[in-house]
Amino acid sequence: ILNVEQSPQSLHVQEGDSTNFTCSFPSSNFYALHWYRWETAKSPEALFVMTLNGDEKKKGRISATLNTKEGYSYLYIKGSQPEDSATYLCAFAILGFGNEKLTFGTGTRLTIIP
Amino acid sequence: DARVTQTPRHKVTEMGQEVTMRCQPILGHNTVFWYRQTMMQGLELLAYFRNRAPLDDSGMPKDRFSAEMPDATLATLKIQPSEPRDSAVYFCASGLGDRVFSGGQPQHFGDGTRLSIL
Repeated sequence: ILNVEQSPQSLHVQEGDSTNFTCSFPSSNFYALHWYRWETAKSPEALFVMTLNGDEKKKGRISATLNTKEGYSYLYIKGSQPEDSATYLCAFAILGFGNEKLTFGTGTRLTIIP
Repeated sequence: DARVTQTPRHKVTEMGQEVTMRCQPILGHNTVFWYRQTMMQGLELLAYFRNRAPLDDSGMPKDRFSAEMPDATLATLKIQPSEPRDSAVYFCASGLGDRVFSGGQPQHFGDGTRLSIL
């Protein structure tokens, strides 16, 4: 059974502060690591897909890094804004047939305090 | 922007009734996924299709759930008979890919069907 763990489960951050959270996944048979942003009452929205060890991706104030050898990814948000409040999901895909099957973590729920 | 469309958005019905949820993937996407969101498990994959062929439905209770893709623009998820434990939000997602590269492609989610079985 593949286990994807995210920490912390929830986080409150003051507006303007920067923050980061972690996704841990099995390092064997790695194929891809996805990050999704999920606002309340909406659908998950893809942020990043990373496949190479050492990958860094950036979208505005949000960035992510990937370490496939030790099995973790960090998501960073710089200068948090109220619109960043959401649940951030990571998901892991294994190498081989069926690599489109994603195993999701339970998410980090981020609340930005104005 | 192209979107995945799910209907209905909400469904309340009594135990034992048949429930059908529909999904229209983004035009041109060849892979369609059905997920269920529960409080305990988060997002769990029920079944998925590529080029309309079912590839995996191991996450689905076989006795009461069925998933089909009658054509490239429609995927359905049926529950018959429904039970209170089926109450959840069901998401459809679509994406592009082939056998080798699908895991490196993002999935695009619909807004979900919130199902309540009384």
